[in-house]
Amino acid sequence: EVVMTQSPATLSVSPGERATLSCRASQSVRSKLAWYQHKPGQAPRLLIYGASTRATGIPARFSGSGSGTEFTLTISSLQSEDFAVYYCQQYNNGDGSFGPGTKVDIK
Amino acid sequence: EVQLVQSGGEVRKPGDSLKISCTGSGYSFTNNWVAWVRQLPGKGLEWMGIIYPGDSDTRYSPSFQGQVTISADKSITTAYLQWSSLKASDTAIYYCARLSGYYVSGTYYYGLDVWGLGTTVTVSS
Repeated sequence: EVVMTQSPATLSVSPGERATLSCRASQSVRSKLAWYQHKPGQAPRLLIYGASTRATGIPARFSGSGSGTEFTLTISSLQSEDFAVYYCQQYNNGDGSFGPGTKVDIK
Repeated sequence: EVQLVQSGGEVRKPGDSLKISCTGSGYSFTNNWVAWVRQLPGKGLEWMGIIYPGDSDTRYSPSFQGQVTISADKSITTAYLQWSSLKASDTAIYYCARLSGYYVSGTYYYGLDVWGLGTTVTVSS
């Protein structure tokens, strides 16, 4: 089973600033990594798949990078609607797992 | 409109059985994997397992193997998650989601692109 970790647990950022979130896999997942945004009372939202490809309708301020075991989600200029919890998730051959999440809150 | 509609919240007692549902519409339900994801109160998302409604091929996360049963009825485009004997620790929100594959440069990548709104299950004596 692939174990995902994320850092930091909480990131305090001012609107307009850049946010950089990290995700690590316990073994290589190549680029089979997705990122999600989750707000309270809502369903999670797919942001990125294949480590770096934005899902349909996702603004360009969201970008993903990395491969193997180290991944990064960058939000270039935080908007008010971006304050949420972000999860990375790997999936390969029927096996999936999420990281514990990074909460991005207002500084 | 592509959507997954989940059944309503449930309140049960420890030891009860329960089956919750997730009905897909607006896409080929038979040909897309459906995942179940748990969120314990105040905690993160957990991958429970997936099912391919076309042939009911099911894969469980090791943490949930033997604890729940995932099934599907393709004739009514519905996936299910069931428990035979609930515990208080099963209190959570349960989401279903469509697992979509994206073909990029010779490789398939996957993401949960359509989600239900979640079913809240409360287990309390």
